[in-house]
Amino acid sequence: EDQVTQSPEALRLQEGESSSLNCSYTVSGLRGLFWYRQDPGKGPEFLFTLYSAGEEKEKERLKATLTKKESFLHITAPKPEDSATYLCAVLLGADGLTFGKGTHLIIQP
Amino acid sequence: DAGVTQSPTHLIKTRGQQVTLRCSPISGHKSVSWYQQVLGQGPQFIFQYYEKEERGRGNFPDRFSARQFPNYSSELNVNALLLGDSALYLCASSTGAEAFFGQGTRLTVV
Repeated sequence: EDQVTQSPEALRLQEGESSSLNCSYTVSGLRGLFWYRQDPGKGPEFLFTLYSAGEEKEKERLKATLTKKESFLHITAPKPEDSATYLCAVLLGADGLTFGKGTHLIIQP
Repeated sequence: DAGVTQSPTHLIKTRGQQVTLRCSPISGHKSVSWYQQVLGQGPQFIFQYYEKEERGRGNFPDRFSARQFPNYSSELNVNALLLGDSALYLCASSTGAEAFFGQGTRLTVV
C-alpha cells in the first residue's frame, strides 16, 4: 500500500537552530512530491513541488530536496514565525494527493 | 487575485442531517478537489473534478457526493451525518499538478 511517513512528529527548536524534516514514501508512479505549511485552523499553504530525484527548491529559509525514496525540508536559522505544521504529499494519479501526518514545528525565541 | 474561497467557514449540524459545502476556485483553474482533515492527521482525498466531470474518488462512503458547475465552482454534499464526519473540509483548485487550498470549512456534528 502506498504510504507517506513524516518524521519527527513534533520538533521544538531555538530561534536560529537549523534542522531538517523528513518525508519518506513507498509509492510507485510518483508524479510529484509537495510540501505545504499549515497554520492552526487554516488551509495548507503551498511551498514547493519536486518532480525528480536530485531536484532542489529554495524559498527564504526553506530548502526542499528529493531522492528516490525520501524528501527533506531543511530549515536554516528559523524564526518564531516559521512555527507551523509542515505537510508532505505525493501525487500518484487521479486519486489526488496522499498526505503524511505532518511535522509540528515550534521555534522558540 | 482572490484565492480559493470556501463557505461557510464554520457550521454545526446534528447527526442524521445533510450538509452542503461550497468552493470557488482560483480564476482560471478548472480542477477542484475536496479533502477531509481530522485533528492531528493530514488531509485525506475525497473527490476531484475537472471540467464538471469526476476524475477521482477517495475511499469515502456514498454518503459523500460532489459536483462542479459550469463556472468551475463546486459543492460537496454529505448525507446522514455521523459524529465521525466532524472535520475540517478543504477545497483545492489547480491548473496543473500544484494544488492551492482554501481556508476550509470546520464542520462539527453533534
